[in-house]
Amino acid sequence: AQTVTQSQPEMSVQEAETVTLSCTYDTSENNYYLFWYKQPPSRQMILVIRQEAYKQQNATENRFSVNFQKAAKSFSLKISDSQLGDTAMYFCAFMKLIQGAQKLVFGQGTRLTINP
Amino acid sequence: DVKVTQSSRYLVKRTGEKVFLECVQDMDHENMFWYRQDPGLGLRLIYFSYDVKMKEKGDIPEGYSVSREKKERFSLILESASTNQTSMYLCASRAVNTEAFFGQGTRLTVV
Repeated sequence: AQTVTQSQPEMSVQEAETVTLSCTYDTSENNYYLFWYKQPPSRQMILVIRQEAYKQQNATENRFSVNFQKAAKSFSLKISDSQLGDTAMYFCAFMKLIQGAQKLVFGQGTRLTINP
Repeated sequence: DVKVTQSSRYLVKRTGEKVFLECVQDMDHENMFWYRQDPGLGLRLIYFSYDVKMKEKGDIPEGYSVSREKKERFSLILESASTNQTSMYLCASRAVNTEAFFGQGTRLTVV
């Protein structure tokens, strides 16, 4: 079964709009980390935002914020005042402990297009 | 800044060839990973390593092997390349309990 699920393969919004990307995950652990990564057309994967599961407060980085619902195992990314440079593939990732080592498991990705 | 460098951005190899993909990181990270990225499937973990000479299979290890002789270098080996291994390959490294840093990716085409 897929550990991390992104149900929106593609999304498209107008510049300056707000967009929310969804992500759900499956785990029986109590302490873990969640991430959103961005992969622009140039291909370099870069971190957007991270969330520690033990923190109740939702993480925020400038125009990017998350809605972390631990009980529902949901971790959505909100992009406010979207910009053309936000056009990219976005991946949700979950870090879990397997065989004594931490592994990052990714969702299928959401292709986001910001239109002028 | 952390730097993760993959030796090639584009590679074209013939079926049956032995292929080496190299990855080097400069931040003394314990953990290193190889993923392949395919449309609609996201990133799938091939192998990872949490120390020198240590390796663990990921979700899709068949047809691949890895080598980590030095902490900064993690190599992915395709013993006998096949057309279904045509893909984008991403290397990543991270310290414990931190985010992963990625290389620029290698687009491998097997013909």
